Amino acid sequence: EPEVTQTPSHQVTQMGQEVILRCVPISNHLYFYWYRQILGQKVEFLVSFYNNEISEKSEIFDDQFSVERPDGSNFTLKIRSTKLEDSAMYFCAGGQGNQPQHFGDGTRLSIL
Amino acid sequence: GQNIDQPTEMTATEGAIVQINCTYQTSGFNGLFWYQQHAGEAPTFLSYNVLDGLEEKGRFSSFLSRSKGYSYLLLKELQMKDSASYLCAVRGASGGSYIPTFGRGTSLIVHP
Repeated sequence: EPEVTQTPSHQVTQMGQEVILRCVPISNHLYFYWYRQILGQKVEFLVSFYNNEISEKSEIFDDQFSVERPDGSNFTLKIRSTKLEDSAMYFCAGGQGNQPQHFGDGTRLSIL
Repeated sequence: GQNIDQPTEMTATEGAIVQINCTYQTSGFNGLFWYQQHAGEAPTFLSYNVLDGLEEKGRFSSFLSRSKGYSYLLLKELQMKDSASYLCAVRGASGGSYIPTFGRGTSLIVHP
């Protein structure tokens, strides 16, 4: 069964640096999502992407964040000028409209 | 806004049956999901309810009552590997959004 794949599995970065998290969704997915999960807390929605543009975003997804689908397959989340509180698991997910979302294995982001 | 409530932790014995409850208040309703999440891993889709009643899938069943804002996940013939967090996620019905809101999860501990 095809999977949503994410790279890297773990990213360690100095505070203030930029990070780019990458995701390769399943080919027949039309909607793409980024979520984050701070250790011990609930999964939080960041942004959804459809038809090459942002369809929804949460209040967490401020100017520090951006998403792109640069080549029609990869789906990236960029975090500019990272802060300590950005340390979390970041999950990419894909789906087809109202169908259940399928999550990637996540990237653990550690900000030092 | 949306509010989702589920117990923080439950314990059960291998081979037994356990029921994990979820209550919610949402602005409209467009589906309820249950996900399983092992520590350090991604959420894995278990079930989806959009109409009232019971959905059965192997050892797992999920029930929904929209009028009561209530769902439960029933796990039968518990196995040690079922020890995980179980996430209830509800999708509201505002503006055609496909974004589910996740509860904090119920940590299930299965002991011999």
